[in-house]
Amino acid sequence: EVQLVESEGGLVPPGGSLRLSCAASGFRFSGYNMNWVRQAPGKGLEWLSQIAPTGDAILYAASVKGRFTVSRDNAKNSLFLQMNSLTAEDTAVYYCARDSSRASADYWGQGTLVTVSS
Amino acid sequence: ENVLTQSPGTLSLSPGDRATLSCRASQSVIDSNLAWYQHKPGQAPRLLIHGASSRATGIPDRFSGSGSGTDFTLTIGRLESEDFAVYYCQQADGSTWTFGQGTKVEIK
Repeated sequence: EVQLVESEGGLVPPGGSLRLSCAASGFRFSGYNMNWVRQAPGKGLEWLSQIAPTGDAILYAASVKGRFTVSRDNAKNSLFLQMNSLTAEDTAVYYCARDSSRASADYWGQGTLVTVSS
Repeated sequence: ENVLTQSPGTLSLSPGDRATLSCRASQSVIDSNLAWYQHKPGQAPRLLIHGASSRATGIPDRFSGSGSGTDFTLTIGRLESEDFAVYYCQQADGSTWTFGQGTKVEIK
């Protein structure tokens, strides 16, 4: 069974940093692109980033480029999102999601809430 | 950026009704890389349709997708109680993914 489990988010002060992780199991993690997507309170889904299987190709949304860094450790079946210079607008539930190889995400984690507030 | 606009914002229907959701792109969607998701509060989004018209694994055949270019449609043949949720379209163009703002399908 495919499972994606995000690490616990939490409360972060404005300007702060947080690193999220996503533990994958039930599939060959090293064979898939992986994505991060978020949903701010009362808003829709927003794609943030995608990383290729070997990490050699990375894409970012304009809203997070230069502040967020995606990485992965295939030996540990883990995906990461380093978030810096956080603002209140980054408050959201963050999801990791497996790329289906058909330009869509077929498996998602349950999400983790990140709140940016003083 | 290819902006996706979904309509209507809210659809009020009864169980057994047919639901028709629209997704319009500001630019032609490359290779019909258009997907549809169902999202319920507190749950992970669920992939319904990829490639504009292909049902994802395990998705009932009452869900169907159609369209090409800039205009796409998700149809739910006969609404069941578990289908009341928010639906998003999503496109991929090789450098970014974008989502529509969502259509809420609510019980009338």
